[in-house]
Amino acid sequence: KAGVTQTPRYLIKTRGQQVTLSCSPISGHRSVSWYQQTPGQGLQFLFEYFSETQRNKGNFPGRFSGRQFSNSRSEMNVSTLELGDSALYLCASSEGFGAGELFFGEGSRLTVL
Amino acid sequence: GNSVTQMEGPVTLSEEAFLTINCTYTATGYPSLFWYVQYPGEGLQLLLKATKADDKGSNKGFEATYRKETTSFHLEKGSVQVSDSAVYFCALGDSGGGADGLTFGKGTHLIIQP
Repeated sequence: KAGVTQTPRYLIKTRGQQVTLSCSPISGHRSVSWYQQTPGQGLQFLFEYFSETQRNKGNFPGRFSGRQFSNSRSEMNVSTLELGDSALYLCASSEGFGAGELFFGEGSRLTVL
Repeated sequence: GNSVTQMEGPVTLSEEAFLTINCTYTATGYPSLFWYVQYPGEGLQLLLKATKADDKGSNKGFEATYRKETTSFHLEKGSVQVSDSAVYFCALGDSGGGADGLTFGKGTHLIIQP
C-alpha cells in the first residue's frame, strides 16, 4: 500500500506570494491532518479534514487554509507569505476522525525569502 | 490545554548503551500516548503507542509504559544501535475527540556513536 505522498517536496517563495501544497493520503484513509514543523516551535497542528469537511483547526491565522476533495486528497494554501512561514509542512492521514494513529508524509519544505 | 514535555538533547550515547528519553504530559481525561520517530530527511513514523493507564507499548526493542499517576510515558531501549539515531517525539491524543490534533513534544535528537 502506498504511503502518504506530498508535493512539492521543496519550494522557495518570496514574501507576499501564496503557496499551495498537496497531499495524497493512504488509500482508504478518510482523514487528513496538516502540521507545521519549525526548529523553534516544533510540531504544531494546523487543521484536520474528514469527508471533505474541516473538523478541527489549530491556532493559526486565516492566511492558512485548506480543503479536501471527494477522493480524500487534500491541499493547504498559505496566502501573503511571511518569512516566519518558512517550515516543513507535514501531512498525515488516518482511517478515522480524531487524534488517533497518524501516518505522515515526508513533508513539503517551504522557504520564504 | 494539553502539553508534552520531553528532554530536547542532543542525547549522545555509545552503541549498546541503555536509552531512556523522558516524557511527561498535562492533559484532561485519559489521552492516548504515542512515540514517533523521524529519521533524517523523512516524515514521522509511529514507533509505539498506549491507549490507557498501565499499557505498555513496544516495537523494535523500544518500550514505554503509560503511567497515569506520574503523567509520564518514558521511552526505553536496552541496547541502542547506530541505526537508532533520529529525532524522537512524544505525543498525546486528546481523549475528547482530537479537537486539537496530536500535541507533540519538542523532540529529542538521539545520536548513537559506534
